[in-house]
Amino acid sequence: DAKTTQPNSMESNEEEPVHLPCNHSTISGTDYIHWYRQLPSQGPEYVIHGLTSNVNNRMASLAIAEDRKSSTLILHRATLRDAAVYYCIRGNNNAGNMLTFGGGTRLMVKP
Amino acid sequence: GAGVSQSPSNKVTEKGKDVELRCDPISGHTALYWYRQRLGQGLEFLIYFQGNSAPDKSGLPSDRFSAERTGESVSTLTIQRTQQEDSAVYLCASSLAPGGRNSPLHFGNGTRLTVT
Repeated sequence: DAKTTQPNSMESNEEEPVHLPCNHSTISGTDYIHWYRQLPSQGPEYVIHGLTSNVNNRMASLAIAEDRKSSTLILHRATLRDAAVYYCIRGNNNAGNMLTFGGGTRLMVKP
Repeated sequence: GAGVSQSPSNKVTEKGKDVELRCDPISGHTALYWYRQRLGQGLEFLIYFQGNSAPDKSGLPSDRFSAERTGESVSTLTIQRTQQEDSAVYLCASSLAPGGRNSPLHFGNGTRLTVT
């Protein structure tokens, strides 16, 4: 099963850090963890991805648990423009390279 | 540089008509995906192309749906005899290599299809 588990929604205050959790308990050793976000009326946008080590880029940080069964997307200072649906996805090498998108987490940012 | 381009951005059609949706991937990207997103829902995988390999059609919901891609260029998704349940946003994405691995997907803004 290539699914991940995320909370349906989360709220944050503007300019505060946000930690978005994801469980992927059946992940295999070669599956990458990808995060995308989707703003209203737009296609999904790549945020970050990783395999084992924590990753940082200009948009966010990705913290991957040592057993790789969970990960956390970290937005260091939420802005109103970060309000979106965030998708955590496993790259399942046994699924024909298909990336399966679940329901994601709807992040609401309060001013 | 240019991103993934989809056309038309909006399409309204009558039930029973055929529609063709177009996707121009980023130049050099070998992998191309089609997804469908119904209102308020997540993305549903439809089909995947990788280079000149046979496409993965496992997500196509019925034989009314088909897609083609010539080499590593443009792809078209065709829906025959459209039904109201086909109303959705159809999203195309491309990636430099198979997207499930160390290669992110780049999405277009989709085609919003409305079947009346």
